[in-house]
Amino acid sequence: LAKTTQPISMDSYEGQEVNITCSHNNIATNDYITWYQQFPSQGPRFIIQGYKTKVTNEVASLFIPADRKSSTLSLPRVSLSDTAVYYCLVGPLYNFNKFYFGSGTKLNVKP
Amino acid sequence: EPEVTQTPSHQVTQMGQEVILRCVPISNHLYFYWYRQILGQKVEFLVSFYNNEISEKSEIFDDQFSVERPDGSNFTLKIRSTKLEDSAMYFCASSEDTSNTEAFFGQGTRLTVV
Repeated sequence: LAKTTQPISMDSYEGQEVNITCSHNNIATNDYITWYQQFPSQGPRFIIQGYKTKVTNEVASLFIPADRKSSTLSLPRVSLSDTAVYYCLVGPLYNFNKFYFGSGTKLNVKP
Repeated sequence: EPEVTQTPSHQVTQMGQEVILRCVPISNHLYFYWYRQILGQKVEFLVSFYNNEISEKSEIFDDQFSVERPDGSNFTLKIRSTKLEDSAMYFCASSEDTSNTEAFFGQGTRLTVV
């Protein structure tokens, strides 16, 4: 599984757009990028997944440049309830049975 | 929305005792997982399970651990002789299949070994 690097923490204010970048220089051709969110004392929750370019759902957008060596999770207009740890995972879609969670990015949203 | 349920939410046990953590995965899911998270640390993969057998396990999942699907709905993790360092939050997860990276996690069982 490709190693990922994310900032340890980020601060933001309510209403701002937050972009969290993940580096995955060793990403393989058949690897997908998946982001999870974890609130304190809860299990991780799937946010979004993509392979290239841009993916958007009701919660977030995921931007992946052409070389796929990094990806950016974009959270529009964050609220206090978005305070959580965000994990970037990289792995092959067909054998994604061993999710490797790195250290994640602790997002702290302030009023 | 369907969810993975885990019981108990908190278990306290004495060192050396056996514990069984229980999970009810989402009903049409085929793949099941156990993860653990020591306080303040990463979420660590323990084991994945498919078609009534272990498909992959980590170095953490040694002989003191076992998993079972005793009936059509439950998925259990047994720790035979608990150690202090087994204290952690244990998460069960399930997914429809391995071509889908959306795994659904339960709320976890906090295991405290004293």
